[in-house]
Amino acid sequence: LAKTTQPVSMDSYEGQEVNITCSHNNIATNDYITWYQQFPSQGPRFIIQGYKTKVTNEVASLFIPADRKSSTLSLPRVSLSDTAVYYCLVGLNRDDKIIFGKGTRLHILP
Amino acid sequence: DADVTQTPRNRITKTGKRIMLECSQTKGHDRMYWYRQDPGLGLRLIYYSFDVKDINKGEISDGYSVSRQAQAKFSLSLESAIPNQTALYFCATSDADVKGHYEQYFGPGTRLTVT
Repeated sequence: LAKTTQPVSMDSYEGQEVNITCSHNNIATNDYITWYQQFPSQGPRFIIQGYKTKVTNEVASLFIPADRKSSTLSLPRVSLSDTAVYYCLVGLNRDDKIIFGKGTRLHILP
Repeated sequence: DADVTQTPRNRITKTGKRIMLECSQTKGHDRMYWYRQDPGLGLRLIYYSFDVKDINKGEISDGYSVSRQAQAKFSLSLESAIPNQTALYFCATSDADVKGHYEQYFGPGTRLTVT
């Protein structure tokens, strides 16, 4: 399984765009990159998944450079309710178990 | 109704007691997982099951056992609970599609306290 490295914590303000970068230097050819969001005392919730270039959905965008050794989760115009822990995962589900790291604790300030 | 349910939601038990946490899902997924979460440590995988006949240890399986009674049910047991098993426990399910995409669906969690 590819190891991931992401910041322990980040602060931002309401209305700002927030970018959280995850490093995964040993990503394998078949690996997808997935981000989850977790609010206190709740289970993680899937946000977005991608393989290369850019993926966008109603919640976030995921930017993946050509070498795929990192990825950036972008949250547009954050609000207080975006305060949560964000996890970056890399791996292929077909034969792998899914491993969560410690995530990035995002704190949105008013 | 929730797709992934866990019972009980909260439990306080004493050291040395046997306890079972139950997970049920209506998503029809083959894969099920048990995680524990401690403050500041993210989620750690205890056991996972890719189908009814396939059960695998995760990172921290010592002191735990599981049973996959059916596709929809996956139980976690603590044979003799100890205080450092006090944590928030999550069950999850997933099913990879033909392209290898996957998404995990989590239950609401069980808060277990061992005194």
